Amino acid sequence: RKEVEQDPGPFNVPEGATVAFNCTYSNSASQSFFWYRQDCRKEPKLLMSVYSSGNEDGRFTAQLNRASQYISLLIRDSKLSDSATYLCVVLNQAGTALIFGKGTTLSVSS
Amino acid sequence: DAGVIQSPRHEVTEMGQEVTLRCKPISGHNSLFWYRQTMMRGLELLIYFNNNVPIDDSGMPEDRFSAKMPNASFSTLKIQPSEPRDSAVYFCASSWTGGLSGNTIYFGEGSWLTVV
Repeated sequence: RKEVEQDPGPFNVPEGATVAFNCTYSNSASQSFFWYRQDCRKEPKLLMSVYSSGNEDGRFTAQLNRASQYISLLIRDSKLSDSATYLCVVLNQAGTALIFGKGTTLSVSS
Repeated sequence: DAGVIQSPRHEVTEMGQEVTLRCKPISGHNSLFWYRQTMMRGLELLIYFNNNVPIDDSGMPEDRFSAKMPNASFSTLKIQPSEPRDSAVYFCASSWTGGLSGNTIYFGEGSWLTVV
């Protein structure tokens, strides 16, 4: 089982739609979780951290379920500029390196 | 401020040739990571250094791959001999591990390698 698994995608949605991405991780000892965004032919960049109580940043909401080892990202009121690949990321058990999922591609159309 | 700098940005080489990728981390960062990204396998951690010392190289695919960090401001990833299956984007990233979290790891723009 891979350490971090994500919905395969791609997700194709119209502007204004709400879309949710899911991710599971295999190491129950993992302590830190993140969502990264990667634009086409660019490097990954941090979108937001994921906290145990859930957290929101504008139109983006991240949730963590430790019991199920499940992480989610919800995007409300999708914009054309949200089109990108979203990577689920887990800090490794040693706390020394980030392990990335393969990513889910989102395409928002007008 | 300069971010992580990688070179070359693009390289096309013939199978069997040696490839050297270079990385300059952000000044003051003490951890450096090499990742490889392909469509099939996604973003994979190859090796990481802390204070110039290789800590975990379990992700290095095979003996054809080697990485060095001779000083705090420079690292290389070498492939010798290269094979077509090595074609990928190679990302270098750096961080300050005084408190590693997502907002303290910064990626370079990547080196796009094609082996024909």
